Amino acid sequence: GESVGLHLPTLSVQEGDNSIINCAYSNSASDYFIWYKQESGKGPQFIIDIRSNMDKRQGQRVTVLLNKTVKHLSLQIAATQPGDSAVYFCAENRSGGGTSYGKLTFGQGTILTVHP
Amino acid sequence: DAGVTQSPTHLIKTRGQHVTLRCSPISGHKSVSWYQQVLGQGPQFIFQYYEKEERGRGNFPDRFSARQFPNYSSELNVNALLLGDSALYLCASSLNERTARVNAKNIQYFGAGTRLSVL
Repeated sequence: GESVGLHLPTLSVQEGDNSIINCAYSNSASDYFIWYKQESGKGPQFIIDIRSNMDKRQGQRVTVLLNKTVKHLSLQIAATQPGDSAVYFCAENRSGGGTSYGKLTFGQGTILTVHP
Repeated sequence: DAGVTQSPTHLIKTRGQHVTLRCSPISGHKSVSWYQQVLGQGPQFIFQYYEKEERGRGNFPDRFSARQFPNYSSELNVNALLLGDSALYLCASSLNERTARVNAKNIQYFGAGTRLSVL
């Protein structure tokens, strides 16, 4: 059968470039968003989060932008390094949503490859 | 400090068998969530447990069950295994529900997962 993995969006950049990874989320009621990085053979690793009352949040070398109007999230990585190569997932959550606070809904992921 | 730990790391089973996966959350975390990650896809939510009670369930059949113990560790059980159950099973822990609601954020920290292969 067809492998869904072959259709993951991919982004290839040179070391030192800035990377932008995009994500469209589905639930307009979601009020909390997280970006995770997943390296081969490992679990997802928290990168940065943002609440829906914010448009932008910055961390170390990373910035997350949230556009609620079009339900779009992006992750910007400055001065990308080979160690940033991984699959990046956005995840959404309704933090105040009854018993659903423990449920993260993940996007399909983007494969980032950084060339030295 | 130890992060989320899962055991075993790898497991091979045959169709129809039963499997139990284990998870120990980060110290101080009272909530555990389980996810299934099929190759090439994002994790899919299975269960969330808090204070030993099921607080959320994803779209998975009744063959999947879980429980949480007084020390907040958790087990995921899958009965009558199918080939399609082959996946990476991830456990995530987070702070208590009240903190999540007050702060309107719920960072979940993931373990390395258990790779289940059903033959």
